[in-house]
Amino acid sequence: QKEVEQDPGPLSVPEGAIVSLNCTYSNSAFQYFMWYRQYSRKGPELLMYTYSSGNKEDGRFTAQVDKSSKYISLFIRDSQPSDSATYLCAMSVSYYGGSQGNLIFGKGTKLSVKP
Amino acid sequence: GAVVSQHPSWVICKSGTSVKIECRSLDFQATTMFWYRQFPKQSLMLMATSNEGSKATYEQGVEKDKFLINHASLTLSTLTVTSAHPEDSSFYICSASPAGKPYEQYFGPGTRLTVT
Repeated sequence: QKEVEQDPGPLSVPEGAIVSLNCTYSNSAFQYFMWYRQYSRKGPELLMYTYSSGNKEDGRFTAQVDKSSKYISLFIRDSQPSDSATYLCAMSVSYYGGSQGNLIFGKGTKLSVKP
Repeated sequence: GAVVSQHPSWVICKSGTSVKIECRSLDFQATTMFWYRQFPKQSLMLMATSNEGSKATYEQGVEKDKFLINHASLTLSTLTVTSAHPEDSSFYICSASPAGKPYEQYFGPGTRLTVT
């Protein structure tokens, strides 16, 4: 079983829809959870990060972490064509990145928002 | 804020030659920088972590002598692919963490390397 599982999609939704993106993980030691957005041939852009369980909201984006289920979600409200990208979840064991607690990425979910 | 640049964005080189990729944090000091490799439709795979002024820490399976990393200052890290081969062709991405915020990684735009 891989440490982080993420459905690669593609996921296609109409403009204005609520999008739900998810990742599951197997390592219960993960404490930091991030969501990145990656446009084609570009580096990932940090969207949100959360520590431990709970919700975090930033504009149209809401990140949820359920450590008991080892499940994290990213919700996008009122989706726009400009949200079309690949969304990667990432997790870290410790406060520090790198080999002592580096980010483990999901494969990414490709999202397409149709006008 | 938190902008990271990479240069070049795209490079083609012949097999056996070396290529240097630069990663710069433009508006913050990065005590730690990371180098990743990404194949099409695959996850980002961490290659190595570099801290300013010290030797890089390489992930298992990454050849230290082939992928030379130097973190000369708080704003610059370089990755040199030595004696490149076609199988080294990939998308190389760096990221940097601001001092005091190690849980935040800001990524560069990536460098596409093609070895012919």
